[in-house]
Amino acid sequence: QSVLTQPPSASGTPGQRVTISCSGSSSNIGSNTVNWYQQFPGTAPKLLIYTNNQRPSGVPDRFSGSNSGTSASLAISGLQSEDEADYYCAAWDDSLNGGVFGGGTKLTVL
Amino acid sequence: EVQLVESGGGLVQPGGSLRVSCAASEFSFSRYAMSWVRQAPGKGLEWVSGLSGSGGSTYYADSVKGRFTISRDNSKNMVYLQMKSLRAEDTAVYYCAKERSGDYVLMDVWGKGTPVTVSS
Repeated sequence: QSVLTQPPSASGTPGQRVTISCSGSSSNIGSNTVNWYQQFPGTAPKLLIYTNNQRPSGVPDRFSGSNSGTSASLAISGLQSEDEADYYCAAWDDSLNGGVFGGGTKLTVL
Repeated sequence: EVQLVESGGGLVQPGGSLRVSCAASEFSFSRYAMSWVRQAPGKGLEWVSGLSGSGGSTYYADSVKGRFTISRDNSKNMVYLQMKSLRAEDTAVYYCAKERSGDYVLMDVWGKGTPVTVSS
């Protein structure tokens, strides 16, 4: 059971907008910033969104992040087939004094 | 090119020990915190441990506290994870990652990972 809760799956058709939620608590998302990672099968994760809503260089602006209270969201607009991957949220947890990840969401492009 | 290369993974018996290493290159290593993240077969990511640029501050997940030790050698641009009292549930690919800033779980560079299998 992960400290951060994500839906196990999400899907959309090309061109659609999809959102992936990440629910936490006051000790993690409620008091620290959220980062998002993208992972393709058999490869290392890649930083996708950091500090809630910042994109590293090279990440398309189709990807955006937001948060409110103890929840965060990743939005992907103009969905493309190459976006099919696993997505993870992560944050520092002040109570655990350690990092925590969500369980991951497998995005399928129909 | 900024790069992290893990090594030292392998097969170890339950209760055994193993040390995995991570070689860093092309960045000012001592300025950055480093972390280990693992991924069990078919499962999600789990943050394992992190340490500051100086090595003076260390952090552990509850699942490994007291069994794993993270360390670094800034003269060699290396970070290590010493694992003891290994259990079947420690079986995973272990990734080394560079923290982008003073925060943790903000990892902007990752290695390809080294697999660890705990089995008799």
